[in-house]
Amino acid sequence: SAVISQKPSRDICQRGTSLTIQCQVDSQVTMMFWYRQQPGQSLTLIATANQGSEATYESGFVIDKFPISRPNLTFSTLTVSNMSPEDSSIYLCSVRTGAHSGNTIYFGEGSWLTVV
Amino acid sequence: DQQVKQNSPSLSVQEGRISILNCDYTNSMFDYFLWYKKYPAEGPTFLISISSIKDKNEDGRFTVFLNKSAKHLSLHIVPSQPGDSAVYFCAASALQGAQKLVFGQGTRLTINP
Repeated sequence: SAVISQKPSRDICQRGTSLTIQCQVDSQVTMMFWYRQQPGQSLTLIATANQGSEATYESGFVIDKFPISRPNLTFSTLTVSNMSPEDSSIYLCSVRTGAHSGNTIYFGEGSWLTVV
Repeated sequence: DQQVKQNSPSLSVQEGRISILNCDYTNSMFDYFLWYKKYPAEGPTFLISISSIKDKNEDGRFTVFLNKSAKHLSLHIVPSQPGDSAVYFCAASALQGAQKLVFGQGTRLTINP
């Protein structure tokens, strides 16, 4: 398994501001993912963060709104830009362990953002 | 287009009995399935997984069954314990893809004493 730490764990943000969420993994991983869970909803993939290349965004998510950095194999950041109340969610970092497909994807504790 | 569906938003089971959580999927490219348990304001905790080459995988009190022809899987918890009360998410991925997960909507399981 992997130990995944996220910061901040919780924050209250003002409308129009931006916040960067950090994700630290205790081992080197090739693929890191960022998910979002809005209140009462399921988990939705925002983007896949690959080291050494641009992040790959899912439909409905754009780099200008959710810029991602992946400077090395153990760390990634997700920025939520120009926040609105609709961005109030839990943001989750996840990693896939192992070199072969089918290995388990583990999640961090999440970052709970409330936009006021 | 909901590719992974958990049609029961909630389930209530008596302590000691069996809990059965169901999940259906529509995408035939999915061939790896996982179950996660989630408490409010926390990240999902991995429980158990199954690949399409199997029809059953067991780990302690948790067993996952896969019926590929019906595109259906289920999670059995036996015996159910109060600590099992949480939201359970079914997730699916395609091995040949980017291994990104597609989640169902979740089922809230409540274990009654």
